[in-house]
Amino acid sequence: EVQLVESGGGLVQPGGSLRLSCEVSGFTFSSYWMHWVRQVPGKGLVWVSRINNDGTSTGTADSVKGRFTISRDNAKNTLYLQMNSLRPEDTAVYYCARVGATGPLWDYWGHGTQVTVSS
Amino acid sequence: QSVLTQPPSVSGTPGQRVTISCSGSRSNIGSNFVYWYQQFPGTAPKLLIYTNNQRPSGVPDRFSGSKSGASGYLAISGLRSDDEADYYCAAWDDSLRGPVFGGGTKLTVL
Repeated sequence: EVQLVESGGGLVQPGGSLRLSCEVSGFTFSSYWMHWVRQVPGKGLVWVSRINNDGTSTGTADSVKGRFTISRDNAKNTLYLQMNSLRPEDTAVYYCARVGATGPLWDYWGHGTQVTVSS
Repeated sequence: QSVLTQPPSVSGTPGQRVTISCSGSRSNIGSNFVYWYQQFPGTAPKLLIYTNNQRPSGVPDRFSGSKSGASGYLAISGLRSDDEADYYCAAWDDSLRGPVFGGGTKLTVL
């Protein structure tokens, strides 16, 4: 069974940092591209970042470019999102999502982790 | 402001057929596949339709997708009360070099 489990969210002050993790199981992680997508509760979905299967190629939305960095550790079956210089507008639920054979967009999503940026 | 445009809400009665539209442009839907996701409150999105009109295994054939030009469509027939959810369209955007979403459509079953 494909599973994606995010962790690392929480409350952080503006200007602070957080690192989100997405631990996966049930599939060969190193074969799949992965993405982060966020959603303000009650609002729509917004793409954040993507990484190819071996971590050599990434892409990031302009709204977070220079502040957020996506990475992965295929040995640990884990995807990461390093978030620096956080702003109140970064407050959202962050989902990791897999690009499967149905690609180029996502077939499986994690349950999400809440990030709140507030003083 | 979402790149793709969806109606904020649609409604129908049990057994009825409803259609949700998703309007884009040449750089996204016009040249790439449309995807549809279903999301219930407090849960993750679930893939409903991929590559314009394909259903993953387990998705009932009451759900169907289509594309015409720079617009995508999700049709739900035989409407059921448990279809009440938010529905999002998505597509790759060649100009933005990333995926884009519609703002979501809330389906209400009256």
